[in-house]
Amino acid sequence: KAGVTQTPRYLIKTRGQQVTLSCSPISGHRSVSWYQQTPGQGLQFLFEYFSETQRNKGNFPGRFSGRQFSNSRSEMNVSTLELGDSALYLCASRGVTTNEKLFFGSGTQLSVL
Amino acid sequence: EDKVVQSPLSLVVHEGDTVTLNCSYEVTNFRSLLWYKQEKKAPTFLFMLTSSGIEKKSGRLSSILDKKELFSILNITATQTGDSAVYLCAVGNTDKLIFGTGTRLQVFP
Repeated sequence: KAGVTQTPRYLIKTRGQQVTLSCSPISGHRSVSWYQQTPGQGLQFLFEYFSETQRNKGNFPGRFSGRQFSNSRSEMNVSTLELGDSALYLCASRGVTTNEKLFFGSGTQLSVL
Repeated sequence: EDKVVQSPLSLVVHEGDTVTLNCSYEVTNFRSLLWYKQEKKAPTFLFMLTSSGIEKKSGRLSSILDKKELFSILNITATQTGDSAVYLCAVGNTDKLIFGTGTRLQVFP
């Protein structure tokens, strides 16, 4: 069974640009969560999608948005990038029977210059 | 505000040593506590604990939860260089997993 796949692995952008990150969950998993990881803050919850609906949202500005498609694949968008958005963005999926246990992808490393 | 605090922030040991990593939490609507190992990018699952006093074991790793005192420990015995990683503690409530900032473990030969 393939794991969680995130693309791209690395991204370099400049301030003011926007970026879209993609995540394919484990087959059969309908929940996809996104986290931002920075050295000082650890993993911070962005949002969770389930069956194309945003179920929960963390404390991030509206520049961070996401969506989920009917095949459970998810995208995350960050508009008007700021230097502080430089981080590792991790996607995780979970199934109905796995409760709170999340399966993580390898992340997208975003650098904003 | 929900929070998960891990200690120590970092640890340097020699192969063969035993280490104890700590995780305390204040989280509303607690459902479970999870430990992950992050070597490069993707955190990998180690344990999920839901009940107090029941030790989970996997090889040289073990973990236990105390829901009265709101903490958990992760023990690693006979450490190996392959145990070098960041160990993340996360608490799940009805909304999400809340992570601590991790403990960086370095094991030298």
